[in-house]
Amino acid sequence: QVQLQESGPGLVKPSQTLSLTCTVSGGSISSGSYYWSWIRQPAGKGLEWIGRIYTSGSTNYNPSLKSRVTISVDTSKNQFSLKLSSVTAADTAVYYCARGSRDGYNPYFDYWGQGTLVTVSS
Amino acid sequence: EIVMTQSPATLSVSPGERATLSCRASQSVSSNLAWYQQKPGQAPRLLIYGASTRATGIPARFSGSGSGTEFTLTISSLQSEDFAVYYCQQYNNWPPIFTFGPGTKVDIK
Repeated sequence: QVQLQESGPGLVKPSQTLSLTCTVSGGSISSGSYYWSWIRQPAGKGLEWIGRIYTSGSTNYNPSLKSRVTISVDTSKNQFSLKLSSVTAADTAVYYCARGSRDGYNPYFDYWGQGTLVTVSS
Repeated sequence: EIVMTQSPATLSVSPGERATLSCRASQSVSSNLAWYQQKPGQAPRLLIYGASTRATGIPARFSGSGSGTEFTLTISSLQSEDFAVYYCQQYNNWPPIFTFGPGTKVDIK
């Protein structure tokens, strides 16, 4: 059973960089044709996809965040990470990491971490 | 950019009744549509992918249909554990981006 766990600071100051790591257990991050994503959810609001990475290192980002986002992967540690720069209060949210898979041309997220709340405040 | 809308925003249903949730895309997404269930304080849970395929372990009372721009999630007989928020999600091939709908909250009537 694949499990994902987010970790990182719960409080980040405005203008600084938010850094989170997702540790994957129960399987190798490199096995299968999966991709690894970050998704966030402000309190009481909907879900926003941030970006994804394949273990080859190939990435795709949400155009609305692309200038501030970097997602990287460390296959030796079975982890992938998120960096979001120049944060503001609008970046306060629960951040989820998730495994992406696909059935033919139909992609979806089948495993999710429990989520971690990141608050941007001075 | 493809915009996803869901209706209604809130659906009040009695246990045992049928619930029908709608998701609409601003342009065709073929069958690149998934549905998720989210309960308070929990991560979303995959229910349906490819518009109509149930994910592993999902009860048969959940069914999805539609293609193109109009999609439906049906819960045939609501159980107490089904009261939650439901999100649809589409994938656009280019630029590659995932977009979620705003959600439908299913609550107890």
